[in-house]
Amino acid sequence: NAGVMQNPRHLVRRRGQEARLRCSPMKGHSHVYWYRQLPEEGLKFMVYLQKENIIDESGMPKERFSAEFPKEGPSILRIQQVVRGDSAAYFCASSPGQGEQPQHFGDGTRLSIL
Amino acid sequence: GEDVEQSLFLSVREGDSSVINCTYTDSSSTYLYWYKQEPGAGLQLLTYIFSNMDMKQDQRLTVLLNKKDKHLSLRIADTQTGDSAIYFCAETTTGGFKTIFGAGTRLFVKA
Repeated sequence: NAGVMQNPRHLVRRRGQEARLRCSPMKGHSHVYWYRQLPEEGLKFMVYLQKENIIDESGMPKERFSAEFPKEGPSILRIQQVVRGDSAAYFCASSPGQGEQPQHFGDGTRLSIL
Repeated sequence: GEDVEQSLFLSVREGDSSVINCTYTDSSSTYLYWYKQEPGAGLQLLTYIFSNMDMKQDQRLTVLLNKKDKHLSLRIADTQTGDSAIYFCAETTTGGFKTIFGAGTRLFVKA
């Protein structure tokens, strides 16, 4: 039973480019959460999605960041016009239902901005 | 507000016990977790405890919860060099979806 799958594991972008991070939840899970880990810090909540709905995006920067979880396919975290400060590890977690614990985490995507 | 605090570093000798401490502020927290992160890797859920429990033991790991003081600890018995990693304390409230993480405790195990 595959866990939460994130790809790519590592992503390098130049300033001003777009970054797309993908997350496939565990089988049977329809709730996805994105977190960001800046260097030497803990994880910070960004956004919570169900299929085709954003439930809470209170941790998402207001500009340049967006997330979706379509009916078919993985959840996507999109960062437009990346800047050096976007360099971080981005983790996805999933759960079978709202608030069901524990959330299961993927291995993360490490984004580096040149 | 929600906040989770941990000491940043802990150094122990191989074979000794390690105790990592954490305090949290949200009195409605119902799930409290310990995650392990090795360099460049993802998060591994080590153990978790419900807030109506005060202790949980799982092989070398013992979790103690003092709900009155909002204090959580993780004890690792017979610490090995492979236990060297960052340990994150985290909490979630009932029906909540945000997991609030501490900044992590870096455990160094000396041979």
